[in-house]
Amino acid sequence: AQKITQTQPGMFVQEKEAVTLDCTYDTSDQSYGLFWYKQPSSGEMIFLIYQGSYDEQNATEGRYSLNFQKARKSTNLVISASQLGDSAMYFCAMREDPTTSGTYKYIFGTGTRLKVLA
Amino acid sequence: GAGVSQSPSNKVTEKGKDVELRCDPISGHTALYWYRQSLGQGLEFLIYFQGNSAPDKSGLPSDRFSAERTGGSVSTLTIQRTQQEDSAVYLCALAPIGQSNSPLHFGNGTRLTVT
Repeated sequence: AQKITQTQPGMFVQEKEAVTLDCTYDTSDQSYGLFWYKQPSSGEMIFLIYQGSYDEQNATEGRYSLNFQKARKSTNLVISASQLGDSAMYFCAMREDPTTSGTYKYIFGTGTRLKVLA
Repeated sequence: GAGVSQSPSNKVTEKGKDVELRCDPISGHTALYWYRQSLGQGLEFLIYFQGNSAPDKSGLPSDRFSAERTGGSVSTLTIQRTQQEDSAVYLCALAPIGQSNSPLHFGNGTRLTVT
């Protein structure tokens, strides 16, 4: 079964608008971490934002914020005021608690390709 | 990527040949991961090393793939008898040991093309 699901293979957004990229996850752990990465066409993986399972507040980093709904097991990325440079692939990832899962693996979703339109 | 050097950046090899990919972290006090990214796809976990613990090899796709980490620092990923389906970008990533909220920091990858 997929542990990380990104259901939007591609998204378009108008410049200066906000966009939400979806991510759901599957875990039986109580303790886990959720991460978002950006991968521009250059191929580098750029860490954007982190949400811990025990964090009560939604994470924010500049124009990036997370809509973390623990009961729904979703952690959607919101990019506000989109810029042309935001065009890239976006990956959601999860790291489970190694004391219960026995592993330190980071599991990635299949990604969403975002295109920002001028 | 900062803190992680991968070499070569590009490798073209003939089907059936062996290849060795290298990951050189700046700091040795990290967990080290290998991922594979096929064209237009997500990241597929291959293997990780953490301290003196046995590596988690659960993601290696076949026995043609192996990896080692010498002295807790440099790691090499070896693919024997390469096949065309091995063509992908191989990414090395690091994370500090003992910090569950730490993201992976990736190298720039090695693009492998098997002809």
